[in-house]
Amino acid sequence: DAKTTQPNSMESNEEEPVHLPCNHSTISGTDYIHWYRQLPSQGPEYVIHGLTSNVNNRMASLAIAEDRKSSTLILHRATLRDAAVYYCIPANYGGSQGNLIFGKGTKLSVKP
Amino acid sequence: DAGVTQSPTHLIKTRGQQVTLRCSPKSGHDTVSWYQQALGQGPQFIFQYYEEEERQRGNFPDRFSGHQFPNYSSELNVNALLLGDSALYLCASSSQITGLPYNEQFFGPGTRLTVL
Repeated sequence: DAKTTQPNSMESNEEEPVHLPCNHSTISGTDYIHWYRQLPSQGPEYVIHGLTSNVNNRMASLAIAEDRKSSTLILHRATLRDAAVYYCIPANYGGSQGNLIFGKGTKLSVKP
Repeated sequence: DAGVTQSPTHLIKTRGQQVTLRCSPKSGHDTVSWYQQALGQGPQFIFQYYEEEERQRGNFPDRFSGHQFPNYSSELNVNALLLGDSALYLCASSSQITGLPYNEQFFGPGTRLTVL
């Protein structure tokens, strides 16, 4: 399983962009990069995933390095509701769907 | 759609006791996974159930067992409780049958278990 490194915490101001980095230098060629987040007192929720190309959805964008050893989750305009712990999770695409390996993640604080 | 529901919300037990936690998956989902989340840590995978059978298991002792019912709901049982079992227990559901290439997991709010 690929090991990930994320900052323990980050701060942002409301309505400013946030770039959350993740290093996954041991990622395998078949692993997708998933991001989940966990709001206070809630279970994790899916944010985005990708393989090689940058990805966008209504919640965020995912920028993946060309060598796939790192990625960055981008929140274009942080809101107070985005305050959460963000987890970067390399995982096999269609295989072990139950076996999401969570690290400690990055705790994002958003200041008004 | 109620999403993933779990019961009870909170539970207090004493060492040596047994506990059963329950999970109802999101409508249309047939796969249930259980995770344990200790305070300040990320969730740790316990096991996954599909077609009423345990399909995968994480690094947890046999004291942790589960069951999936024909309606896809699931139970997590923990025997001989230890103080270290105090944690938030999360249930996640997903679907194997949609035919989509990616099946995200939907998590419930969890059951907070305290062992005294």
